[in-house]
Amino acid sequence: SQTIHQWPATLVQPVGSPLSLECTVEGTSNPNLYWYRQAAGRGLQLLFYSVGIGQISSEVPQNLSASRPQDRQFILSSKKLLLSDSGFYLCAWGGEAGGMGGEQFFGPGTRLTVL
Amino acid sequence: SQQGEEDPQALSIQEGENATMNCSYKTSINNLQWYRQNSGRGLVHLILIRSNEREKHSGRLRVTLDTSKKSSSLLITASRAADTASYFCAYYIGNQFYFGTGTSLTVIP
Repeated sequence: SQTIHQWPATLVQPVGSPLSLECTVEGTSNPNLYWYRQAAGRGLQLLFYSVGIGQISSEVPQNLSASRPQDRQFILSSKKLLLSDSGFYLCAWGGEAGGMGGEQFFGPGTRLTVL
Repeated sequence: SQQGEEDPQALSIQEGENATMNCSYKTSINNLQWYRQNSGRGLVHLILIRSNEREKHSGRLRVTLDTSKKSSSLLITASRAADTASYFCAYYIGNQFYFGTGTSLTVIP
């Protein structure tokens, strides 16, 4: 069965520090991968999605970047965190590339607090 | 923005009552999905309804889709305290996946 991992579970970082959140998927190949951010009490905002290694699409301009160095690895990064980067970050995979329309499977999330 | 709108934002009901939440979206879609999120956790897929379907059932869940009005509703019957969570509609537009604003449901035992 498919499993999606995210770490760390929680993170407290000072403003201006770098960030690296990692997401890995097991049990599937060539998945579409997604990064979302959820502000407190709000819906999910799509940040990035990837349909393959090295292929990243950004949904909104921001202080963050994403990379996909391996088929089942998706990394969210920042060089210098802002207070507004605080939130709950969720990684998801959504079926095989080219097979859009199916359900998405979510990781447990990382709660980031920038002080 | 292509983000869907949901109403109500918050809903509080007694255990055993039915809960209905609505989702509206802005463009044609192939299918619409509903997800549940317990506080501070990831999302769990509940049900998917395709654009050529009008109604779908899964256990105590009933979902309707009206493509002419670009809206969907989720009905939870005979609610339980364990149904307390946030519920989101979601859909693809191309490769991008959009979520609604969510409904926070509280079921009082």
